[in-house]
Amino acid sequence: AAGVIQSPRHLIKEKRETATLKCYPIPRHDTVYWYQQGPGQDPQFLISFYEKMQSDKGSIPDRFSAQQFSDYHSELNMSSLELGDSALYFCASSLGSTYYEQYFGPGTRLTVT
Amino acid sequence: AQSVSQHNHHVILSEAASLELGCNYSYGGTVNLFWYVQYPGQHLQLLLKYFSGDPLVKGIKGFEAEFIKSKFSFNLRKPSVQWSDTAEYFCAVNAKTSYDKVIFGPGTSLSVIP
Repeated sequence: AAGVIQSPRHLIKEKRETATLKCYPIPRHDTVYWYQQGPGQDPQFLISFYEKMQSDKGSIPDRFSAQQFSDYHSELNMSSLELGDSALYFCASSLGSTYYEQYFGPGTRLTVT
Repeated sequence: AQSVSQHNHHVILSEAASLELGCNYSYGGTVNLFWYVQYPGQHLQLLLKYFSGDPLVKGIKGFEAEFIKSKFSFNLRKPSVQWSDTAEYFCAVNAKTSYDKVIFGPGTSLSVIP
């Protein structure tokens, strides 16, 4: 079965650079969520989109932005990267309805040096 | 606001020992409950979930969890652990509404000694 796809899987950037992470949800899923998991931490919710509109916002820094496109894929744009941004970034998708389950992608490991 | 607590930060067991990881959540409404496992260097995998119905839920790899509504708990159990169960275990909850984010607990690191 098709799963959530994230690219790239690994990314190394320097401080103050920008990075773009991509998420391709499971086909027909219309909702995308982004989570950040720092080393030894639990995943923290960043932001979500439903039908290309932002549906919820968590602890996403102002330096980050995200959007969902017409084909439902989503991109997380990160600017002015800091060392503390080094983390595993998960994307999850779901079919928006009252009872649903989020399916997580494999994550993108971002290392800022 | 929703929150999830897990009783133990780190658990060490010998192979064949029984496992119980505690999880409590705080939320006034009805919730969906999950346990995720994260093996070293890997991504989150769903072990089991509870949406409604039988409060005793069976998941993959011999894991089960029991939802006790009155205690706001969703403890994970396995009768006999294996070395391959060494991983980080996250309890998670989301509100039973549309498009709601998943809130994760802080995680319990399980080390199984052969």
